[in-house]
Amino acid sequence: GAVVSQHPSRVICKSGTSVKIECRSLDFQATTMFWYRQFPKKSLMLMATSNEGSKATYEQGVEKDKFLINHASLTLSTLTVTSAHPEDSSFYICSASSRTTYEQYFGPGTRLTVT
Amino acid sequence: AQKVTQAQTEISVVEKEDVTLDCVYETRDTTYYLFWYKQPPSGELVFLIRRNSFDEQNEISGRYSWNFQKSTSSFNFTITASQVVDSAVYFCALSSGNTGKLIFGQGTTLQVKP
Repeated sequence: GAVVSQHPSRVICKSGTSVKIECRSLDFQATTMFWYRQFPKKSLMLMATSNEGSKATYEQGVEKDKFLINHASLTLSTLTVTSAHPEDSSFYICSASSRTTYEQYFGPGTRLTVT
Repeated sequence: AQKVTQAQTEISVVEKEDVTLDCVYETRDTTYYLFWYKQPPSGELVFLIRRNSFDEQNEISGRYSWNFQKSTSSFNFTITASQVVDSAVYFCALSSGNTGKLIFGQGTTLQVKP
């Protein structure tokens, strides 16, 4: 299957700083990328959907100014957590899909810890 | 509204037992897709199966089998002769409409004891 990478896999940052997480599709063109958040022992909650070249569509309750999503190319989407706080600590997972398939290919996830 | 319900929060079995994970979904769309994913402790989601709404055939893949019944809006997953390596969190998910968004169930934590 297709491969999606995320970088970094783990990050620890101080409260008030910003953190950028990258999501890359390595062997296919991802017209759509999704960002999910998962709290410990909880399900995956969709944060936003991003289509290449256009603004991301955020789910209800997700702060656009806090979670900046950019999908500038067909192989890269970034999620920036701005002015991070301890409550932003979570497991962030991206997925990517192309026009030709309903399949979503998931990245390995990024564990963010804000101290 | 779209919703996926996995009523079993945690299941514990002894190795070699069969186990069925339940999944019930809700959608008004006539065309939709159902998925099962496995999430081991490492966190990475492992794709197990995708089934579209027009294909009610049951599927078997090794020790895994899936039972899709539109009449009861269920898509249950059975592991035969469970093994310790099957221990993980299993998610059922639904995708409908043209957005491709996945709606996940709450997940079922399966523990297989030796």
